[in-house]
Amino acid sequence: EVQLVESGGGLVKPGGSLRLSCAASGFTFSSYTMNWVRQAPGKGLEWVSSISSDSNYIYYADSMKGRFTVSRDNAKNSLYLQMNSLRAEDTAVYYCTMSRPVTGPYDYWGQGTLVTVSS
Amino acid sequence: DIQLTQSPSFLSASVGDRVTITCRASQGISSYLAWYQQKPGKAPRLLIYAASTLQSGVPSRFSGSGSGTEFTLTIISLQPEDFATYYCQQLNNYPRSFGQGTKLEIK
Repeated sequence: EVQLVESGGGLVKPGGSLRLSCAASGFTFSSYTMNWVRQAPGKGLEWVSSISSDSNYIYYADSMKGRFTVSRDNAKNSLYLQMNSLRAEDTAVYYCTMSRPVTGPYDYWGQGTLVTVSS
Repeated sequence: DIQLTQSPSFLSASVGDRVTITCRASQGISSYLAWYQQKPGKAPRLLIYAASTLQSGVPSRFSGSGSGTEFTLTIISLQPEDFATYYCQQLNNYPRSFGQGTKLEIK
């Protein structure tokens, strides 16, 4: 059974940092592109970042470039999102998702972890 | 960047109805479009990919069609569990993008 379990969310002050993790199991992690998608309270889905299976291709939404860094450890079946210079508008539930390389849809999603940026 | 516009944003329907949601892309995306269903407090669930391929385990009352810039999600014979928010997503280019969502409510 595929499982994606996010952790690391919480309350952080504006300008602060947070590192999200996603533990994957039930599939060959090293074969899949991994993605982060977020959802602000009461709002729609927003794509955040994607990282290819070998980490050679990394993409970010414009509003996160330079502040967020995605990485993965295939030996540990884990995905990470380092978030710096956090703003109030980064407050959201962050979901970890998996997809087949290049044009695959997001087959499975984690349960999400809530990040709240507030003073 | 590719923008996706869903219509309508809100839809009120009854159990047993047939409904159609449209997703329009600002430029051609071939058939690289997926549809997701999300219920309150839950993660999205993949329904359809490649514009018209039903994900395993999804009821056959859901169907998708389209290519290029215009796509539709159709649900025939609505069931109580289908009342949710639906999103389209393009997988043709980065940055990936989602439509703004269509909330399907019970009339």
